[in-house]
Amino acid sequence: GAGVSQTPSNKVTEKGKYVELRCDPISGHTALYWYRQSLGQGPEFLIYFQGTGAADDSGLPNDRFFAVRPEGSVSTLKIQRTERGDSAVYLCASSLTPPQAGGTYEQYFGPGTRLTVT
Amino acid sequence: GDSVTQMEGPVTLSEEAFLTINCTYTATGYPSLFWYVQYPGEGLQLLLKATKADDKGSNKGFEATYRKETTSFHLEKGSVQVSDSAVYFCALSRNQFYFGTGTSLTVIP
Repeated sequence: GAGVSQTPSNKVTEKGKYVELRCDPISGHTALYWYRQSLGQGPEFLIYFQGTGAADDSGLPNDRFFAVRPEGSVSTLKIQRTERGDSAVYLCASSLTPPQAGGTYEQYFGPGTRLTVT
Repeated sequence: GDSVTQMEGPVTLSEEAFLTINCTYTATGYPSLFWYVQYPGEGLQLLLKATKADDKGSNKGFEATYRKETTSFHLEKGSVQVSDSAVYFCALSRNQFYFGTGTSLTVIP
């Protein structure tokens, strides 16, 4: 079956512009996560959705970052007024069950979107 | 807060050498522990996991044991291959995932 897909794979934008990054999770996965990975670093948590609602958005760095998942499947990460420091690989992951369901939940990662702000 | 500290890289080994990548964690409660691997040009993949103390996760010849007394989850493999060249990430989860900074492994023939 299809894994997690992300589009675009690469995005180059100018400072100050608005960008949208899309994530298609594995069908049937209720939980969806966004991470940011800077060069030489591990993924950094941004936000987690359970269904349509953001269950934990504590990792969003500021109010320029926003994410939605209106139908509980595809999610879009939106970045306003981009800054050069936003340049990173943005990773999306999904899992069948959410963290609070107990037990071990395995996250499946997409290939990422490499964002470059010039 | 919760965090993961893993061994700095890069690590370069000859084929068939023994591999250890150290990982220690800080967490309240009882997190689950994971090793993820990122091969060149690919996304993160789960390598192995352990959910409670003394559990041993294993996959593809890799092993890691959840040691609560030392808060560690070191990754080991007895004989590495060139195809094991990748970046390895240790992670823990409770309500969200916390990743280490990654350790790059290069295996030379």
